[in-house]
Amino acid sequence: DAGVTQSPTHLIKTRGQHVTLRCSPISGHKSVSWYQQVLGQGPQFIFQYYEKEERGRGNFPDRFSARQFPNYSSELNVNALLLGDSALYLCASSLAPTGYEQYFGPGTRLTVT
Amino acid sequence: GEDVEQSLFLSVREGDSSVINCTYTDSSSTYLYWYKQEPGAGLQLLTYIFSNMDMKQDQRLTVLLNKKDKHLSLRIADTQTGDSAIYFCAEGRSNDMRFGAGTRLTVKP
Repeated sequence: DAGVTQSPTHLIKTRGQHVTLRCSPISGHKSVSWYQQVLGQGPQFIFQYYEKEERGRGNFPDRFSARQFPNYSSELNVNALLLGDSALYLCASSLAPTGYEQYFGPGTRLTVT
Repeated sequence: GEDVEQSLFLSVREGDSSVINCTYTDSSSTYLYWYKQEPGAGLQLLTYIFSNMDMKQDQRLTVLLNKKDKHLSLRIADTQTGDSAIYFCAEGRSNDMRFGAGTRLTVKP
């Protein structure tokens, strides 16, 4: 069975640009969460979606947005990129929002120059 | 700052046991997790424990939970070089998970 998949694997953007990251959850999983992992730190929660509804949002600016599609895949959008947005962006899927294991994808490495 | 705290480094000899410790702050957390991250990779779920348990064993892994002290530990028996990685503990809250900064485990042959 396929695990959580994310695309692209790596990308390089310049300051001020916009980026879209994509995630496909494990088959049967309806909840998707996004995390930002800056080098040397633990992942920080950005968003959680369940059944296409936002269920939780971390302490990130409005430049960050996300959505979940009817097939439960998800996109994370970041506008007006800053150098500090350079990080590994991780997507995690679970059966439901709480009380279930979250399985992570390999991540998208974003570099902002 | 982090709500979940871990020591940053641990070094052990191959064949020894490793114990990675973690403290958390949210007493309402229902699940506590251990994840492993190898260089350039995502997070691999190792094990988790429900907050009403005090111990869980899964092959070489033993998780101990002291809810009164909000202390969680992961013991890896017979540590191998392939166990070298960064280990994260995380507390499961209502809609998110809070991670520690990770403990880098180095296993020397």
